[in-house]
Amino acid sequence: SAVISQKPSRDICQRGTSLTIQCQVDSQVTMMFWYRQQPGQSLTLIATANQGSEATYESGFVIDKFPISRPNLTFSTLTVSNMSPEDSSIYLCSVKAGVGTDTQYFGPGTRLTVL
Amino acid sequence: SQQGEEDPQALSIQEGENATMNCSYKTSINNLQWYRQNSGRGLVHLILIRSNEREKHSGRLRVTLDTSKKSSSLLITASRAADTASYFCAPGGSNYKLTFGKGTLLTVNP
Repeated sequence: SAVISQKPSRDICQRGTSLTIQCQVDSQVTMMFWYRQQPGQSLTLIATANQGSEATYESGFVIDKFPISRPNLTFSTLTVSNMSPEDSSIYLCSVKAGVGTDTQYFGPGTRLTVL
Repeated sequence: SQQGEEDPQALSIQEGENATMNCSYKTSINNLQWYRQNSGRGLVHLILIRSNEREKHSGRLRVTLDTSKKSSSLLITASRAADTASYFCAPGGSNYKLTFGKGTLLTVNP
């Protein structure tokens, strides 16, 4: 299994500002993902964080709004830029556990409230 | 898409009873994973069943998969109050992207 931590666990931010969320894994993983869960909704995939190259974004999500970094095989960041109240969500990172398994593990999430 | 749809949307049972949740999907899959989410926290991985498996057990959990019907079920036996959570299925394909439904909200009453 993989142990995943996220920072911060929660934050309250003012509209127009940006927040960077960190995701740290206790082992090297090939694939990392970022998801959003809006209040009362299910999880939606934002992007796949690729090590050494630009992230791959899903339809409806753009790099200018959600820039992602992945400098190595254990760490990634997601920035929520120019925030509005509609960005209030739980943001979760997940990882594919490794070669030979398709299991995906999720971090504890970052609860973001935008005022 | 590979999105899973859980049924029922909500389920309320007494402690000690069994809880069964169902999942349907529309396309072919490599595997299907079940997750639990407690009150707005992160997702806890419960079990993964591969497309060539029909049944899998883990503790009090039993998962079945019927690829001909494109459906899966999660059975929790002898439920406890601590099992109260939302449960999601996630059908998986070759691209490893997971698409979630709205989940089943399970309430176990003491």
